[in-house]
Amino acid sequence: GAVVSQHPSRVICKSGTSVKIECRSLDFQATTMFWYRQFPKQSLMLMATSNEGSKATYEQGVEKDKFLINHASLTLSTLTVTSAHPEDSSFYICSASDPQGAPGPQHFGDGTRLSIL
Amino acid sequence: QKEVEQNSGPLSVPEGAIASLNCTYSDRGSQSFFWYRQYSGKSPELIMSIYSNGDKEDGRFTAQLNKASQYVSLLIRDSQPSDSATYLCAVKKTGTASKLTFGTGTRLQVTL
Repeated sequence: GAVVSQHPSRVICKSGTSVKIECRSLDFQATTMFWYRQFPKQSLMLMATSNEGSKATYEQGVEKDKFLINHASLTLSTLTVTSAHPEDSSFYICSASDPQGAPGPQHFGDGTRLSIL
Repeated sequence: QKEVEQNSGPLSVPEGAIASLNCTYSDRGSQSFFWYRQYSGKSPELIMSIYSNGDKEDGRFTAQLNKASQYVSLLIRDSQPSDSATYLCAVKKTGTASKLTFGTGTRLQVTL
């Protein structure tokens, strides 16, 4: 089945650091990927839709200058949390759909747990 | 009204019983429906997809869709303790690039 790889799985860093998270589709090309954030005991919250070769589409309330998204190839999207602060600590998860599949499900990466000290 | 609604639970069922998880959605343009399982601290894992009215069975799992009632459910037969997790209902409009809309999830506890 479709596999989405996300790296790193865990980041612990000081306040003010910028952190880059990578999301790769391993066996299919994804023109669109999605970035989610999940706080403890809460549901997934879609942050943005990453579009290959064009600007990302951000959900309401998500700061595009804070969460930079780059989707430079059909298999790679990156999310950079700029100047991270403790309130940015969360579980960040990416997903992608295989366009060769049905009106298909999204397959999720394993997530990145970000902890800002 | 939320776009996708689920009872947050917890839903507690004894081992070996049938667990029934329910989900309603508000957008009649929705065409694809998914159930994801999420263990604590892990990312969601797809367990069922359903696209047309009726039942779809996969092992111990059965998804049921009723578009007229805007209702989708997941039945888990012979529930096991390893089924204890949060189950997320997700709905998608037409097109593979369309975003998923998730419910808040139902926490299932399978007791010994």
